[in-house]
Amino acid sequence: DTGVSQDPRHKITKRGQNVTFRCDPISEHNRLYWYRQTLGQGPEFLTYFQNEAQLEKSRLLSDRFSAERPKGSFSTLEIQRTEQGDSAMYLCASSQSRFGYTFGSGTRLTVV
Amino acid sequence: RKEVEQDPGPFNVPEGATVAFNCTYSNSASQSFFWYRQDCRKEPKLLMSVYSSGNEDGRFTAQLNRASQYISLLIRDSKLSDSATYLCVVNKGGGADGLTFGKGTHLIIQP
Repeated sequence: DTGVSQDPRHKITKRGQNVTFRCDPISEHNRLYWYRQTLGQGPEFLTYFQNEAQLEKSRLLSDRFSAERPKGSFSTLEIQRTEQGDSAMYLCASSQSRFGYTFGSGTRLTVV
Repeated sequence: RKEVEQDPGPFNVPEGATVAFNCTYSNSASQSFFWYRQDCRKEPKLLMSVYSSGNEDGRFTAQLNRASQYISLLIRDSKLSDSATYLCVVNKGGGADGLTFGKGTHLIIQP
């Protein structure tokens, strides 16, 4: 499968715990994006990498959120001290240009 | 004002009918425009790009009016499989801003 892969598909965590999600983009895509989607809303942009450089992170929701793409390939999104309001679908997308985004299937986070 | 606004619906439409969705965007500097389709609990998938001259892909026609900052999607001869949420999407350009999505319009095609 040469699509965007996200892991895990589902995560249930207790409030206050840290969680980390992984995204493996399409191999030839140098751009990688993280989005969050809550029920009844469209995806909301969080952060963007071009290769290993994080070129936009001001839209991360709080300082509890951080993302890395250390070798310009896979990326991780970490949420520290999770809150119930963090429950959402976290989507990763990759592209070779500013067009043609391909989304992964997402990680559904439930904070209890 | 939200950056991208859409009527959330739902639109209940009989099979075979023609249905049209609209959306408006607030940033006049937006450079590229798309319609994405999202099935329940699935990821968004690109349906089509939207060009100023208008463009068609089979039963789907998209139009862009830059002066009015308005985008439309027309679906002809609707099928049961067209039932989904249709997301209006704009890109301000440069890549670093990512895509800005509307809330989506929920379409239900009824047999």
